[in-house]
Amino acid sequence: NAGVMQNPRHLVRRRGQEARLRCSPMKGHSHVYWYRQLPEEGLKFMVYLQKENIIDESGMPKERFSAEFPKEGPSILRIQQVVRGDSAAYFCASSPLRTSGPSSYEQYFGPGTRLTVT
Amino acid sequence: DQQVKQNSPSLSVQEGRISILNCDYTNSMFDYFLWYKKYPAEGPTFLISISSIKDKNEDGRFTVFLNKSAKHLSLHIVPSQPGDSAVYFCAASANFGNEKLTFGTGTRLTIIP
Repeated sequence: NAGVMQNPRHLVRRRGQEARLRCSPMKGHSHVYWYRQLPEEGLKFMVYLQKENIIDESGMPKERFSAEFPKEGPSILRIQQVVRGDSAAYFCASSPLRTSGPSSYEQYFGPGTRLTVT
Repeated sequence: DQQVKQNSPSLSVQEGRISILNCDYTNSMFDYFLWYKKYPAEGPTFLISISSIKDKNEDGRFTVFLNKSAKHLSLHIVPSQPGDSAVYFCAASANFGNEKLTFGTGTRLTIIP
């Protein structure tokens, strides 16, 4: 049972280029979260998606950043016109489909994409 | 506004002894708490969780304690092993994990052989 997969693992972009980060959740998981970790900091929430739906994008910068989780294929985090401050590790996490009744849901993380903007 | 705080950036413990990592939170809406372990250049690995209806959860060498009145939780690792050396993050969520996680800044644990 494969875990959360992210690619690429490392991405180098020049200022002004676009960065596309991909995330495939664990099998059976339908909820995807994106987090960013700046150097020497903890992880910060960016966006929470289900298939074809953005549930919570309160942590997403208003400009240049977008995310999607289409019906088929991986979730994509897209950063347009990257700047040096976008250099960070971007982690995707997934959690299971919600069931009826009380329950709690852990999030399982992928290995991350390390974005370097030169 | 740091809603989840890990006030010890680092901790060193002798192999075989108990490691105690602490975490405080301020948001009363949090009802689900998790500990993750992270090695450099890897993603966080889920260790153990606890919901607010409990005050203790145990899994092998790992035990998490929750004190709701003090808004404090702790992770106990006993006995500590060299492979436990990593950065440990405390995280919290509302709605029993149905929402985003808010992370602390992490504690770097070093186990001394």
